[in-house]
Amino acid sequence: QKEVEQNSGPLSVPEGAIASLNCTYSDRGSQSFFWYRQYSGKSPELIMFIYSNGDKEDGRFTAQLNKASQYVSLLIRDSQPSDSATYLCAVGGVTDKLIFGTGTRLQVFP
Amino acid sequence: NAGVTQTPKFRILKIGQSMTLQCTQDMNHNYMYWYRQDPGMGLKLIYYSVGAGITDKGEVPNGYNVSRSTTEDFPLRLELAAPSQTSVYFCASRRDQQASSYEQYFGPGTRLTVT
Repeated sequence: QKEVEQNSGPLSVPEGAIASLNCTYSDRGSQSFFWYRQYSGKSPELIMFIYSNGDKEDGRFTAQLNKASQYVSLLIRDSQPSDSATYLCAVGGVTDKLIFGTGTRLQVFP
Repeated sequence: NAGVTQTPKFRILKIGQSMTLQCTQDMNHNYMYWYRQDPGMGLKLIYYSVGAGITDKGEVPNGYNVSRSTTEDFPLRLELAAPSQTSVYFCASRRDQQASSYEQYFGPGTRLTVT
């Protein structure tokens, strides 16, 4: 059974701080890694994807991938209250399907 | 460009009733997916399709059926609804198998309650 694990949270950080969200996966054949943001009652929206080991930066977001440790993370710099949401990690392999984690709830307080 | 649309937005079913959740995309995407999301949980794949006429099971297909007669439409059929099917259902689409187009675009969801 391929699994994607996330801490459910909530992760509470003050406004302006760095939020660090983590995800581990069980399938060593995984090739693509995604972070989706989901506001309460809304559909998921893609905010970052990464395919290679290392860091990938996009604005305030940085995705980090370590395939040897089967670990992917998302850093959010200068966190804003509008970043408060559930963040879903998703992992893809050689098939056409993604496996989603259960999500980490992030709360950014003023 | 409406993206991925789903109807209805909300529905209450009685146990044993049947219904079809509609999903349409206007992006000419080949790949389409149906997920369910239970409260506080991630997304579970029910069925997916890689093109018109081709469908395959996901993690939790029992109690559901799908068809894909056109590129645009991917309806999900619930037969003999059960309380365990109370969930939010999301439809998603993706252009093709290229890594550069791996993003799945999600519809707004259908909130289904079975009582």
